[in-house]
Amino acid sequence: SQQGEEDPQALSIQEGENATMNCSYKTSINNLQWYRQNSGRGLVHLILIRSNEREKHSGRLRVTLDTSKKSSSLLITASRAADTASYFCAPHDYKLSFGAGTTVTVRA
Amino acid sequence: EAQVTQNPRYLITVTGKKLTVTCSQNMNHEYMSWYRQDPGLGLRQIYYSMNVEVTDKGDVPEGYKVSRKEKRNFPLILESPSPNQTSLYFCASSTNTGELFFGEGSRLTVL
Repeated sequence: SQQGEEDPQALSIQEGENATMNCSYKTSINNLQWYRQNSGRGLVHLILIRSNEREKHSGRLRVTLDTSKKSSSLLITASRAADTASYFCAPHDYKLSFGAGTTVTVRA
Repeated sequence: EAQVTQNPRYLITVTGKKLTVTCSQNMNHEYMSWYRQDPGLGLRQIYYSMNVEVTDKGDVPEGYKVSRKEKRNFPLILESPSPNQTSLYFCASSTNTGELFFGEGSRLTVL
């Protein structure tokens, strides 16, 4: 399996701004998933993008996938204080693996 | 309500005292997995199970055991806990597409 590597490690933005975080991975995947973790809680699935998809939207979330570059990005638009959390990408080859995540702080 | 339930949520124990963290899911998922989360290291997979009686090692299996005698349950066993197993543990189960549903976590401290 492979870990996704998120970048940046931490991000601080003002409420209403957009937050973008990136994920790189190493080998071929079936899909790539993004998860959110509020402090110390269990991870919550946000969105899944298949290897043959390039972009996917869900509410204020936009995910892109570039399999030629082995990278993905997660954009959160019009951020809110409730978006403060850690975000993890998880490339899925034969199983899911997680990196260290991006910690997002949304300032009121 | 679809959920993954872990117990205990918090535990302080001493080196060498065997303990079991239980995990149960009510979604009829075949795949279940255990992770540990440590600061700066993200989530690392300990063991996973593709179905009843089918288990396999993840990335950090040393010091842990699991069993899968029923589809809904996947307990994590620490036969002789050591301080380096102090961590936040998560159980998860998965749909066929690989989407994971996580429990709320079990914070374990080994003194």
